Amino acid sequence: AQTVTQSQPEMSVQEAETVTLSCTYDTSENNYYLFWYKQPPSRQMILVIRQEAYKQQNATENRFSVNFQKAAKSFSLKISDSQLGDTAMYFCAFILYNNNDMRFGAGTRLTVKP
Amino acid sequence: DADVTQTPRNRITKTGKRIMLECSQTKGHDRMYWYRQDPGLGLRLIYYSFDVKDINKGEISDGYSVSRQAQAKFSLSLESAIPNQTALYFCATSDAGLAGGYQFFGPGTRLTVL
Repeated sequence: AQTVTQSQPEMSVQEAETVTLSCTYDTSENNYYLFWYKQPPSRQMILVIRQEAYKQQNATENRFSVNFQKAAKSFSLKISDSQLGDTAMYFCAFILYNNNDMRFGAGTRLTVKP
Repeated sequence: DADVTQTPRNRITKTGKRIMLECSQTKGHDRMYWYRQDPGLGLRLIYYSFDVKDINKGEISDGYSVSRQAQAKFSLSLESAIPNQTALYFCATSDAGLAGGYQFFGPGTRLTVL
């Protein structure tokens, strides 16, 4: 079974600084997708960024980028120029290609301090 | 208007009561999912449905049942609620033709079983 591990239950960062959230996963498969979802206090799950495992290039969405290390099964999220609105719970998620069982990590609670 | 809606948003009930949580979507997606979120555990899949005639158990289906009344509606039932079913419940949808397994989430239902 696929598992996703987020080893940092809580993190904090100063506004305008950069922070990196860690995620590792375990699978014997080769084709899959990885995601970072953001859950603000409103509890809505919002997709932040997505990575296809077959792509070597790291995904980037504005201030959000990932460091995807397939061999190490690592998928970290870097938030640059942190903003107060980035304060949220962040979940790393994994899904096999053509599968519907998305696995989530336990989450990292990020606080951006003014 | 929200693409994925859930009713009710909050519910308090007593042990042994039957509860139904409802999900509707206007995205035209064929796949729908029910997850529960618990602190420290992330989101876990309860049931999913590929279309009206297709229902599949997820990781934690015991104590739950579902009904796919139409392509746009997917309901989750707790036949006899118990306190450890207190959690945040999410409905999600995805399009089989959309690459990447991206799932769109509803706003969540906070359920408390006393």
